Amino acid sequence: LAKTTQPISMDSYEGQEVNITCSHNNIATNDYITWYQQFPSQGPRFIIQGYKTKVTNEVASLFIPADRKSSTLSLPRVSLSDTAVYYCLVTGGFKTIFGAGTRLFVKA
Amino acid sequence: EADIYQTPRYLVIGTGKKITLECSQTMGHDKMYWYQQDPGMELHLIHYSYGVNSTEKGDLSSESTVSRIRTEHFPLTLESARPSHTSQYLCASSPAGGHLIYEQYFGPGTRLTVT
Repeated sequence: LAKTTQPISMDSYEGQEVNITCSHNNIATNDYITWYQQFPSQGPRFIIQGYKTKVTNEVASLFIPADRKSSTLSLPRVSLSDTAVYYCLVTGGFKTIFGAGTRLFVKA
Repeated sequence: EADIYQTPRYLVIGTGKKITLECSQTMGHDKMYWYQQDPGMELHLIHYSYGVNSTEKGDLSSESTVSRIRTEHFPLTLESARPSHTSQYLCASSPAGGHLIYEQYFGPGTRLTVT
């Protein structure tokens, strides 16, 4: 399983765009990149998944360069309720490794 | 919203007791998982299942056991609880195929405290 590296924490202000980058240098051909969000005392919640280029849904965008060795989760116009831990996962099989995640603090 | 349920949500129990944490999903998912997470720490996979009568140990060694007799049910059992078992236990499930083949749906978790 490919190891992922992402910043431990980030701060932002309401209304700003937040970009969280994840490195996964050993990603395999069949691996997908998936991001989850977790609030305190809750289970993680799926945000977005991609294989290459750009994926966008109603809550986020995921940018993946051609070499796929990194990915960037983009959250447009964050609000206080976006304060959470964000996990980047590389999943190519049954097991998934969540890692430590990035703690995002959104300030007023 | 995902239909995956865990009971109890909170449990305080004494050392040496046997406990079973329940997890059920109504989505017909073949794959199910148990994770353990201490406050503010990362999730660790402790058990997973491909389907009925299939169970495997995860990356983190655990003294718990699991069973998968029915597709929708994946209970976790601790034969003799110890204070070191104090943690949050999260159950998840995912479909076997489809476009988003690795999306996992998580339950609300069970916060276990062993005194």
